[in-house]
Amino acid sequence: DGGITQSPKYLFRKEGQNVTLSCEQNLNHDAMYWYRQDPGQGLRLIYYSQIVNDFQKGDIAEGYSVSREKKESFPLTVTSAQKNPTAFYLCASSGRGAYNEQFFGPGTRLTVL
Amino acid sequence: GQQLNQSPQSMFIQEGEDVSMNCTSSSIFNTWLWYKQDPGEGPVLLIALYKAGELTSNGRLTAQFGITRKDSFLNISASIPSDVGIYFCAGLNYGGSQGNLIFGKGTKLSVKP
Repeated sequence: DGGITQSPKYLFRKEGQNVTLSCEQNLNHDAMYWYRQDPGQGLRLIYYSQIVNDFQKGDIAEGYSVSREKKESFPLTVTSAQKNPTAFYLCASSGRGAYNEQFFGPGTRLTVL
Repeated sequence: GQQLNQSPQSMFIQEGEDVSMNCTSSSIFNTWLWYKQDPGEGPVLLIALYKAGELTSNGRLTAQFGITRKDSFLNISASIPSDVGIYFCAGLNYGGSQGNLIFGKGTKLSVKP
């Protein structure tokens, strides 16, 4: 089935450690996105990539890094520089053109202890 | 930056009642999207609207793209318990930052069985 997968579903890390969240899509979408969601809040854009080997910062990129070496994959690294990393992280993808609705993965809940 | 005002923030309704929620913006959008998010899951696209004045239905859900292109509403008819969740509106402009959605903060729907 076509879709977006994120792994793991739950992730625990000690403070000061970097952690990488996986996002894979088999929808043949060009663009991919990472969002952060805090309790009772909307979605805030961290990074996005419209094409392989290119990505741009979103509204809250500080403390995060990404890579886009393959069309299907857009991993997000939460670095130790991120002051408040505990959150629900959502990956999305979209096709090109005017009707480029974003489709979301199931999310990864990161808890930093 | 662009912001969306989504209302109401939360609502409690009796099963079988109709529900209405809306989003307004000070900016014009080319596309309006409505998503539903269940607890601990990623948002699921419900309805996409592409033209001002467009009225689109998906089962018991009906959404409209406002004539001014600055607002949209979502109606749910004859609500059932599985309608519980958070509904997000999102506006999309495919001019500048292509593919970047602006999200409302969500409407949390709770249904009394």
